[in-house]
Amino acid sequence: AQKITQTQPGMFVQEKEAVTLDCTYDTSDPSYGLFWYKQPSSGEMIFLIYQGSYDQQNATEGRYSLNFQKARKSANLVISASQLGDSAMYFCAMRGHNYGQNFVFGPGTRLSVLP
Amino acid sequence: GAVVSQHPSWVICKSGTSVKIECRSLDFQATTMFWYRQFPKQSLMLMATSNEGSKATYEQGVEKDKFLINHASLTLSTLTVTSAHPEDSSFYICSASKGAYTEAFFGQGTRLTVV
Repeated sequence: AQKITQTQPGMFVQEKEAVTLDCTYDTSDPSYGLFWYKQPSSGEMIFLIYQGSYDQQNATEGRYSLNFQKARKSANLVISASQLGDSAMYFCAMRGHNYGQNFVFGPGTRLSVLP
Repeated sequence: GAVVSQHPSWVICKSGTSVKIECRSLDFQATTMFWYRQFPKQSLMLMATSNEGSKATYEQGVEKDKFLINHASLTLSTLTVTSAHPEDSSFYICSASKGAYTEAFFGQGTRLTVV
């Protein structure tokens, strides 16, 4: 079975500061992908960043970077220079290659950026 | 970019009626589409996975006869909530994936209210 754990129900960060959102996962699939999505209050799910299990380097997309530690099964999202518009729910997700291609989502972390 | 359009964004219907929600991939062919239900302040709950031209695969506990899913083409999947009841009121969101190992792109979601 696959499982995603996000231990931080809510996080606060000061504007312009960096913040790390934790994500740990469990899977027996040797090959998988890890994803982060942002869900603002409007409800849409916005894809942020992807990390493949065999990627040697940590993924980066603008202000987003993924701190991937395979041995520890963690895939933390780092947001640099936080902006007020970053306030939202953030979901970590995993997609294995051998489990029907389904995505498994974590419970989410609500990030609030303070002015 | 990859755009997924979901329609309608919100709907109010009377108890006992049926509601159809459409999910379209606008600029890519989606081999797989996913349907989720999201309760307030909770994560996404996968309802079913559909592949073009084949029957949808429903998650355990999801009533196939109540939530009819049709994936008639590589760009369109529909979810029909039949004989809706107030307990079916929820946020329904679809996603579409280009391939087996890639990210999924989400529609805007549909907020269903059954009165």
